[in-house]
Amino acid sequence: DAKTTQPPSMDCAEGRAANLPCNHSTISGNEYVYWYRQIHSQGPQYIIHGLKNNETNEMASLIITEDRKSSTLILPHATLRDTAVYYCIVRAPRNFNAGNMLTFGGGTRLMVKP
Amino acid sequence: DTAVSQTPKYLVTQMGNDKSIKCEQNLGHDTMYWYKQDSKKFLKIMFSYNNKELIINETVPNRFSPKSPDKAHLNLHINSLELGDSAVYFCASSLRMGLAKNTDTQYFGPGTRLTVL
Repeated sequence: DAKTTQPPSMDCAEGRAANLPCNHSTISGNEYVYWYRQIHSQGPQYIIHGLKNNETNEMASLIITEDRKSSTLILPHATLRDTAVYYCIVRAPRNFNAGNMLTFGGGTRLMVKP
Repeated sequence: DTAVSQTPKYLVTQMGNDKSIKCEQNLGHDTMYWYKQDSKKFLKIMFSYNNKELIINETVPNRFSPKSPDKAHLNLHINSLELGDSAVYFCASSLRMGLAKNTDTQYFGPGTRLTVL
């Protein structure tokens, strides 16, 4: 799986958009970009994933650059409850025999402030 | 409705003891995992089970033995506990993945904080 690089921490004002960047310059053509987050003392939570096109769901939007070497997770109106560590993970679909484990890096600690 | 549940939430025990952590998922998934999160907050995969069969064992000491009585359960048994086993252990599950399908979303349990004294 391609390596990802994220800033260790970011601040965001409550109600504003939080834009979390991720670099994955060695991404391969069949690798997806996944975002998970971990709120303090909870298990990781899936947010969104994408391959080439931008994606949006009820939680966030994912913007992937045309060359796919970087992406941005956007929380359109951050709330205090969005304070968490956000993980960007790049991985290819796996045959079920190969296992589907996720490899977590250090992530970005997002602090949403009032 | 709890999708992935773990018991106990907290576990405090002495070195050398044997303990188990239970995990259950009610999502109908057939792949389950155990992850370990150490004091530095890094999450690492320990085991992956697909349909009750061990798929991955990521260089975990053999004191750790996962047991899957059925597809909905993956329990973690730890023998001869050591101080370094203190961590938060997360169970997760996902749908079985084929090459033609990308349904790799993993759902995590709330974690079990193990403290070895």
